[in-house]
Amino acid sequence: AQSVAQPEDQVNVAEGNPLTVKCTYSVSGNPYLFWYVQYPNRGLQFLLKYITGDNLVKGSYGFEAEFNKSQTSFHLKKPSALVSDSALYFCAVRDYNNDMRFGAGTRLTVKP
Amino acid sequence: KAGVTQTPRYLIKTRGQQVTLSCSPISGHRSVSWYQQTPGQGLQFLFEYFSETQRNKGNFPGRFSGRQFSNSRSEMNVSTLELGDSALYLCASSHPGQGVYEQYFGPGTRLTVT
Repeated sequence: AQSVAQPEDQVNVAEGNPLTVKCTYSVSGNPYLFWYVQYPNRGLQFLLKYITGDNLVKGSYGFEAEFNKSQTSFHLKKPSALVSDSALYFCAVRDYNNDMRFGAGTRLTVKP
Repeated sequence: KAGVTQTPRYLIKTRGQQVTLSCSPISGHRSVSWYQQTPGQGLQFLFEYFSETQRNKGNFPGRFSGRQFSNSRSEMNVSTLELGDSALYLCASSHPGQGVYEQYFGPGTRLTVT
């Protein structure tokens, strides 16, 4: 079955430091991978997606993600974290039925 | 373009009642999906509608149902509410076409069952 895993429930970083939010996936066939962010009392906002091509995908708000086929990972990164990046981040994979399957989410806290 | 809208934003119901939630997708989007979000279970897929037809369904009991209208607006209904149905219900729309498409989410309806 297609699935994604986010191994960290919580990630804490200091403002200005680089951040990484981890995601690993399990799919048969080509993976279609997504990152979403959720702010309090809001729906999810699309950040970026990987379909094919360049392994480094650039998205909204300065975020990027690196697709690594050998490690079956799709980690979200940002070179310099902002306090306003504090939110809940979800990795997702679109499976063979075209259903979107989400990870459990990682709460990112950026401290001033 | 206006985003995905969901009504109502907040709802309090009593166990045993039924509830209907509404979702208006982004103009031009023909696919609407529904999700249930709870602290314990995370985001769980309920169903997807495309052109008024249910295309996929998640692993939820028959008390959860939905429909889509010709203008792509969608409703979901939960009958015989249980305490465990308390959750944030999210609607997402997308524009299936060539390629792989992302979903755009509404703000959600917070349902509390007492």
